[in-house]
Amino acid sequence: ILNVEQSPQSLHVQEGDSTNFTCSFPSSNFYALHWYRWETAKSPEALFVMTLNGDEKKKGRISATLNTKEGYSYLYIKGSQPEDSATYLCAPTGTASKLTFGTGTRLQVTL
Amino acid sequence: GAGVSQSPSNKVTEKGKDVELRCDPISGHTALYWYRQRLGQGLEFLIYFQGNSAPDKSGLPSDRFSAERTGESVSTLTIQRTQQEDSAVYLCASSLAKGRSYEQYFGPGTRLTVT
Repeated sequence: ILNVEQSPQSLHVQEGDSTNFTCSFPSSNFYALHWYRWETAKSPEALFVMTLNGDEKKKGRISATLNTKEGYSYLYIKGSQPEDSATYLCAPTGTASKLTFGTGTRLQVTL
Repeated sequence: GAGVSQSPSNKVTEKGKDVELRCDPISGHTALYWYRQRLGQGLEFLIYFQGNSAPDKSGLPSDRFSAERTGESVSTLTIQRTQQEDSAVYLCASSLAKGRSYEQYFGPGTRLTVT
């Protein structure tokens, strides 16, 4: 799977704001969509893995939705906190097990 | 339990030298992946291993890059005759199985600088 696009590239919000980002990918040959959070000086951390059209997953204040027919996924953060500051990466997979990562959305949350 | 570990954490080498990067996956994880991130770019897949199956080397950028893994244990990524464009953070990840819906657990990475 190629041409994974994430938008926006970067985002600056204030504490308490809710925000969302988009991951777009080719809908053909789709199998699963992974979301990762990568904080500076740390390792990427898995957030969600989704496979079914219409899937919605939630972890605390973070949730994600998946539309496999049109090839996009949204990641939502409710009530952003400074500790949410990180780069959020999406990676779809197709027939192969390898992940094709987007370039990420860099989120900065300030007080 | 212990996570994925990588060594060294930082490596500075001169152009033309060979380097070897090491990854210790989580115990019991049968799949192991190598990625790299060059400055200003996204995470780039390099290679993955699953048990004793032939590795998927489709992401290796040139024949100067090679990787080995013995069984389901340690993996080494070797870069021969390093070039400045090899400078990047090299990340290793492991997962429970070779599966498109299995989460991958990443190590802290090795920052390689080629001068």
